[in-house]
Amino acid sequence: DVKVTQSSRYLVKRTGEKVFLECVQDMDHENMFWYRQDPGLGLRLIYFSYDVKMKEKGDIPEGYSVSREKKERFSLILESASTNQTSMYLCASSYGRSSYNEQFFGPGTRLTVL
Amino acid sequence: EDKVVQSPLSLVVHEGDTVTLNCSYEVTNFRSLLWYKQEKKAPTFLFMLTSSGIEKKSGRLSSILDKKELFSILNITATQTGDSAIYLCAVEGRNYGQNFVFGPGTRLSVLP
Repeated sequence: DVKVTQSSRYLVKRTGEKVFLECVQDMDHENMFWYRQDPGLGLRLIYFSYDVKMKEKGDIPEGYSVSREKKERFSLILESASTNQTSMYLCASSYGRSSYNEQFFGPGTRLTVL
Repeated sequence: EDKVVQSPLSLVVHEGDTVTLNCSYEVTNFRSLLWYKQEKKAPTFLFMLTSSGIEKKSGRLSSILDKKELFSILNITATQTGDSAIYLCAVEGRNYGQNFVFGPGTRLSVLP
């Protein structure tokens, strides 16, 4: 079974703090993704990575950065958290460069920024 | 800009009813359409559709894609309370890498 884990299920931070969200997958997947999910807006792609040290901006990268130093780990960084970054954050991974591979999701991190 | 629209956004039915969830899309270089079910936490995969007119079926759930009219439907027959969830439609339509555009989801509530 593919397993995608995220470092925290719930996180509460203050405005201006630096926040790290970690995602680890154990199936040697090339592709990893960070989404945020907000009511009425669905899942929106923040960043994705198709190889170690490679990253691509998604639809809403502003205020976020990412790091992929190892194949199994993809980190999302909020340099200076703001209240509008309160959201559910979902990490996903998938195999290979082919189009026909489903994404496997982690359990999500619910982040609240006060 | 790539876009995925789902309807209805919310639906309440009683056990035993049949429901049809809709997903329409506008994407460049369509590659695949996926349906996910999200209960309390992570979305779980239901179907991947790449060809028009071929129905995918799993138990009481089925789905079909129309690439000419740019939509897909997800049918659930004889609904059960365990079908209550958010159903997400995602479309892959980019030229690089592998990533998806998600719709807002349909929240289905099945009452006993």
